[in-house]
Amino acid sequence: EPEVTQTPSHQVTQMGQEVILRCVPISNHLYFYWYRQILGQKVEFLVSFYNNEISEKSEIFDDQFSVERPDGSNFTLKIRSTKLEDSAMYFCASSEDLPDSNQPQHFGDGTRLSIL
Amino acid sequence: EDKVVQSPLSLVVHEGDTVTLNCSYEVTNFRSLLWYKQEKKAPTFLFMLTSSGIEKKSGRLSSILDKKELFSILNITATQTGDSAVYLCAVERDYGQNFVFGPGTRLSVLP
Repeated sequence: EPEVTQTPSHQVTQMGQEVILRCVPISNHLYFYWYRQILGQKVEFLVSFYNNEISEKSEIFDDQFSVERPDGSNFTLKIRSTKLEDSAMYFCASSEDLPDSNQPQHFGDGTRLSIL
Repeated sequence: EDKVVQSPLSLVVHEGDTVTLNCSYEVTNFRSLLWYKQEKKAPTFLFMLTSSGIEKKSGRLSSILDKKELFSILNITATQTGDSAVYLCAVERDYGQNFVFGPGTRLSVLP
């Protein structure tokens, strides 16, 4: 069964450094998402992406964050200058562009980001 | 403010028990409600519900949505230790598939 893959599984970075989290969505999917889950807290929506542009973003997704689909397979989340509070598990998800068929989002295994 | 509430937050049962997990929501432009199971890593999809009163079943799991009362339940019969996980309820709103997640119910099934 096709799956969403994320790399790396764990990233440790010094505060103030830039990080790029990578995701390969399921190949025929057209909607892409990033979520984060701070340890012990609920999953929070960050951003959705369709047709090479952001379709929606949350208050968490400020100017420090950006997303990109640099080629036909990768979908990346960049955090420009990391803060301690960015430490979390970051999940990528994707879904098909079939609004009438109610396709669910499929999640990757996540990247655990630890900011020191 | 849109919100999704789940209860109980934590539940401990023994194998063979039946459990009912609850999810209530207040969101604008409701589109669908989804249940996910989260073990150590990624949430895995269980059900998507869009219509009231239609039960969805998968093995020992079933779920139903009440759009009038704004809630959903997830039932697990004859629980097994492998059912131990956090069960997440998420509500999809608008066309952009923006999800609001509940805090999850942590289910522990003891042998």
